[in-house]
Amino acid sequence: GIQVEQSPPDLILQEGANSTLRCNFSDSVNNLQWFHQNPWGQLINLFYIPSGTKQNGRLSATTVATERYSLLYISSSQTTDSGVYFCVVRSGDTGNQFYFGTGTSLTVIP
Amino acid sequence: GAGVSQTPSNKVTEKGKYVELRCDPISGHTALYWYRQSLGQGPEFLIYFQGTGAADDSGLPNDRFFAVRPEGSVSTLKIQRTERGDSAVYLCASSRGLANEQFFGPGTRLTVL
Repeated sequence: GIQVEQSPPDLILQEGANSTLRCNFSDSVNNLQWFHQNPWGQLINLFYIPSGTKQNGRLSATTVATERYSLLYISSSQTTDSGVYFCVVRSGDTGNQFYFGTGTSLTVIP
Repeated sequence: GAGVSQTPSNKVTEKGKYVELRCDPISGHTALYWYRQSLGQGPEFLIYFQGTGAADDSGLPNDRFFAVRPEGSVSTLKIQRTERGDSAVYLCASSRGLANEQFFGPGTRLTVL
């Protein structure tokens, strides 16, 4: 299967700070999503981004498929951004499974 | 419905019992996925349906786990002879198709005593 590594594993930010989360994957993918798992466990869709760049408010994401990585940018962080961020990928070459990354646990302090 | 729903939200059972977990996908979504998330870990893939058929069940841990989707909509994950190690949050997701964005339900927290 595909190995999906996220960094950093843990991150503590002061409210208002910016951050970049990284997702590296070991094989070519045809599906990549970023999710935020809030403290209540709900997985919230952030981006569907197998390639290219997208922006949604304070968040943006870039996937460089040829170099096998994706970045999630959080600007002007808020306490409600706290939780775990997951990158999820699928490779059509190695079956139909979706693989979750190792996650980045973000804590934003006021 | 507006989103993926899962019932029950919590299930407590005794070791050795049989449990069923239900998932209602977003209307019109042909693909449905089950995942399991243990405490402090990321979700792990269990099984994927495209329509009524299980297109990939390679993530099911053993033959005590089984899932069905008889009419291509609602799915049921069935666990026989539950063990304490089965305790986890079971997540369901759906998408329009395999190449499309997945949307997750709130999960069912299973506790095996």
